[in-house]
Amino acid sequence: TQLLEQSPQFLSIQEGENLTVYCNSSSVFSSLQWYRQEPGEGPVLLVTVVTGGEVKKLKRLTFQFGDARKDSSLHITAAQPGDTGLYLCAGARANFGNEKLTFGTGTRLTIIP
Amino acid sequence: ETGVTQSPTHLIKTRGQQVTLRCSSQSGHNTVSWYQQALGQGPQFIFQYYREEENGRGNFPPRFSGLQFPNYSSELNVNALELDDSALYLCASSLGTSGVQETQYFGPGTRLLVL
Repeated sequence: TQLLEQSPQFLSIQEGENLTVYCNSSSVFSSLQWYRQEPGEGPVLLVTVVTGGEVKKLKRLTFQFGDARKDSSLHITAAQPGDTGLYLCAGARANFGNEKLTFGTGTRLTIIP
Repeated sequence: ETGVTQSPTHLIKTRGQQVTLRCSSQSGHNTVSWYQQALGQGPQFIFQYYREEENGRGNFPPRFSGLQFPNYSSELNVNALELDDSALYLCASSLGTSGVQETQYFGPGTRLLVL
């Protein structure tokens, strides 16, 4: 059972367009991470958000953590073909000494040149 | 390049067989976590080892077991393979010095196919 639901599951858009991916849960997380995974590779960490309402920017990517720390969004501006990949959100809980990550269902993004 | 390696890259087994997957963590990383990623899904936590002791387990049956060695390598063993065990198996290492915000570095995974 996935505690984190991502939407949309698949997204295919033209180069230059903007997009938003959502990650929603009924559970509270102490932090939330976003990863990108390329075919044949493991997930690579993009960002960690910790504080409710926090916004972080990584070039054309903007990440937001919900006020209640149950949801997050990833917004990409002017998408490029290099943004193609599987985007995963993952929540961590503070009651583990070393963090077990609960991953979302994933959003497969394709940017068409 | 995360410095985490896994072997083999691909593996084909038949139902009922046993398999051992290997992971080499970054030097100095005391924690290794294993995940199962079925096709089209996000990774699911199997278990975590910290300094050679199991330190948390997900919802997987006892036929999934692990070992961690002092040289920063680890193994995932699966007995009595079932068709649904077909997946990408990922290991991730981290320093293991603190809790909440520690970065986990993932290996490229081993793709297991059970026929």
